[in-house]
Amino acid sequence: SQTIHQWPATLVQPVGSPLSLECTVEGTSNPNLYWYRQAAGRGLQLLFYSVGIGQISSEVPQNLSASRPQDRQFILSSKKLLLSDSGFYLCARGKDGANVLTFGAGSRLTVL
Amino acid sequence: AQTVTQSQPEMSVQEAETVTLSCTYDTSENNYYLFWYKQPPSRQMILVIRQEAYKQQNATENRFSVNFQKAAKSFSLKISDSQLGDTAMYFCAFTWGGSNYKLTFGKGTLLTVNP
Repeated sequence: SQTIHQWPATLVQPVGSPLSLECTVEGTSNPNLYWYRQAAGRGLQLLFYSVGIGQISSEVPQNLSASRPQDRQFILSSKKLLLSDSGFYLCARGKDGANVLTFGAGSRLTVL
Repeated sequence: AQTVTQSQPEMSVQEAETVTLSCTYDTSENNYYLFWYKQPPSRQMILVIRQEAYKQQNATENRFSVNFQKAAKSFSLKISDSQLGDTAMYFCAFTWGGSNYKLTFGKGTLLTVNP
């Protein structure tokens, strides 16, 4: 199974509040994991990716951070949200032995 | 840097007709892969079709096929016998072997299938 669980599905937060979005994946161990953001009317932007526990690569300087405390857990965080952090956040995993990404159902974040 | 361009923000097609979505990309890599993903109103990203750059034969998946023109760096998606359930945002995406398979996406084409 390549199932990806993301929560919460929907989140409304005030500016300046913290954020934690969680992604857990099923399947074989040591998958590549990715966080993408989709802003309104735009494509998907890669934020972070991870090739193993504790290994995080940042693609875009920003107000967000990511962590991978366990092999199948990937967390997106912020200490203080900005209005520009609003968007749809998608977690993805690399499919075993192939260059295909499988995506979770996403988390919709609205910052007011 | 790799870029993916989808020049058609929106398209529409009548049910049962055929439609082609365009995508061009820019890269200096030789070992790369191209994808079309579909994002219906549920916003779940679904892989539609994949093409390896080293393969000359165009990929097909049931009603979906691609026209891969490597020299022109073009990768269009043809949907035959369009169905109402094909209504979605379609994203063209690119990755290459040395990138940890990070996907670079185009901005998408919103396809509406009309009854």
